[in-house]
Amino acid sequence: GESVGLHLPTLSVQEGDNSIINCAYSNSASDYFIWYKQESGKGPQFIIDIRSNMDKRQGQRVTVLLNKTVKHLSLQIAATQPGDSAVYFCAESRGAGSYQLTFGKGTKLSVIP
Amino acid sequence: ETGVTQTPRHLVMGMTNKKSLKCEQHLGHNAMYWYKQSAKKPLELMFVYNFKEQTENNSVPSRFSPECPNSSHLFLHLHTLQPEDSALYLCASSQDLGNYGYTFGSGTRLTVV
Repeated sequence: GESVGLHLPTLSVQEGDNSIINCAYSNSASDYFIWYKQESGKGPQFIIDIRSNMDKRQGQRVTVLLNKTVKHLSLQIAATQPGDSAVYFCAESRGAGSYQLTFGKGTKLSVIP
Repeated sequence: ETGVTQTPRHLVMGMTNKKSLKCEQHLGHNAMYWYKQSAKKPLELMFVYNFKEQTENNSVPSRFSPECPNSSHLFLHLHTLQPEDSALYLCASSQDLGNYGYTFGSGTRLTVV
């Protein structure tokens, strides 16, 4: 069935390096994507979003890239810090008229000091 | 605090017990959601309320019963649960349906014994 998924369940990076977290989606009608961060003991927290009419969007230390041709989404974190250690989820909206988000399983990012 | 408060944070209950989870938000949001987060699985949408009216029941077993007395409060009543219902139950709110700027609570960690 249609789903949002992630290529890797875990990712370890050295503090100060850049992190790239990937997400694949299968619903070509999806028009809106969000990245969430979930720290231990907390609920998911909105990081950044992107609409399907864009290829790239930048925030503070984070960049989301969208490749609609291959249905791929990535989150890039610059100069990764220990506070970035968390599980990162991508989520997609199924298109116009839908208010439901479909979430991926998540990638656990561990930052090595 | 995110503005969405869930109580209790942890709950252990027997299969014959009846308990309730509470969610409260004072963000002025009109839509509220219950999600289930199980280990190694994506977040699963359970119920959606808009202006305190239920708009979505995602084929959730009747042993889960939601209640939304007003736009600021959401409850999840639990009875005769099964061990496989053990999970993190997350409440979220958004300004309106279709507005994906969800604010999540920290969740209730439920263990059914």
